[in-house]
Amino acid sequence: AQSVTQLDSQVPVFEEAPVELRCNYSSSVSVYLFWYVQYPNQGLQLLLKYLSGSTLVKGINGFEAEFNKSQTSFHLRKPSVHISDTAEYFCAVSATGGGNKLTFGTGTQLKVEL
Amino acid sequence: NAGVTQTPKFQVLKTGQSMTLQCAQDMNHNSMYWYRQDPGMGLRLIYYSASEGTTDKGEVPNGYNVSRLNKREFSLRLESAAPSQTSVYFCASTLQGRTGELFFGEGSRLTVL
Repeated sequence: AQSVTQLDSQVPVFEEAPVELRCNYSSSVSVYLFWYVQYPNQGLQLLLKYLSGSTLVKGINGFEAEFNKSQTSFHLRKPSVHISDTAEYFCAVSATGGGNKLTFGTGTQLKVEL
Repeated sequence: NAGVTQTPKFQVLKTGQSMTLQCAQDMNHNSMYWYRQDPGMGLRLIYYSASEGTTDKGEVPNGYNVSRLNKREFSLRLESAAPSQTSVYFCASTLQGRTGELFFGEGSRLTVL
């Protein structure tokens, strides 16, 4: 089985500042990794995903994440945040070949302030 | 451009009542999922349907049943609601081969008194 840990439940940041949202995973098999974003009163939408290849993946809205196998991490970063980035961010993992059964972390609430 | 549509959006039940949450997608997706979202616990998979005609249990299936009515529709039934089932329920779908790219509905907020 796989598991995901998002250590930060809330991350406040000022507009135009950089941000990093941390995600660590645990699995005994190879995995795929994902970040989803949830805006208030909406469903989740895919931000980016790592399947294979380059460990640095770029997603929508200027976000990127880096897969680090030795650290079992997949941290999400953005060099300059905007008010509109205020949302909850979920890291998720699935086993390769395990279909699309995703295991989600508990989420990190990103609050961007002026 | 509907995507994944869930009904109802809000529901209040008394303990022991039954209800069905409906989900329909218009993207010709093969697989459909039901998740519940609780504060501090993220999303947990209740049931999923990899393809029309099949359903399987997820992480937290107890107290729920599902029906994959056809390729478009996947319903979640609570036969005897309990306060522990107070949650926000999300339906999602994806196309086979689109690894991890789930499309979510807007959620159904259920309160069991």
